[in-house]
Amino acid sequence: GAVVSQHPSWVICKSGTSVKIECRSLDFQATTMFWYRQFPKQSLMLMATSNEGSKATYEQGVEKDKFLINHASLTLSTLTVTSAHPEDSSFYICSASEGVNTEAFFGQGTRLTVV
Amino acid sequence: GNSVTQMEGPVTLSEEAFLTINCTYTATGYPSLFWYVQYPGEGLQLLLKATKADDKGSNKGFEATYRKETTSFHLEKGSVQVSDSAVYFCALSDSNSGYALNFGKGTSLLVTP
Repeated sequence: GAVVSQHPSWVICKSGTSVKIECRSLDFQATTMFWYRQFPKQSLMLMATSNEGSKATYEQGVEKDKFLINHASLTLSTLTVTSAHPEDSSFYICSASEGVNTEAFFGQGTRLTVV
Repeated sequence: GNSVTQMEGPVTLSEEAFLTINCTYTATGYPSLFWYVQYPGEGLQLLLKATKADDKGSNKGFEATYRKETTSFHLEKGSVQVSDSAVYFCALSDSNSGYALNFGKGTSLLVTP
């Protein structure tokens, strides 16, 4: 299947700093990318949907000013956690698909720890 | 709104045992249904899917049938292997969700020799 690369796989940052997570589709053009958050022993919760060249659509309860999503090209989307706090520590996962209702391929995830 | 409920884990089985992981869903439209697997230290991988009622998805000996009448998509395998130890997620997507995936909480499976 297609490959989605997510970087970094883990990051530790100080409270108050910002962290950028990249999600790249390596061998296909990702019209749509999704960002999820996974708490320990819980399910993946959709944070936002981004379509290339458009503003991201955020799920209810997700702060768009805190979780900045950019999808400027068909192969790259970024999630920036601004002014991170310990409660933002989590596992963030992206997925990418070529189009509507096509298979979504997942990145390996990023473990963010804010200290 | 859409939701997915799957059985709580962890599930511990001996090698060659029969596996069933239950999954039921609630959806307002006509969703596609998926099972994803997450092996230790790896990302999510699509295991199988079904896009309409009565479809059966299958892969690597795993099967699941889309049952609209019972709103279920139970995962089964006749004989599990140690290498099947992983976390399994049931999920759905439809046009109402912009085709984003709505996941169940995941079921951890441990297969012992």
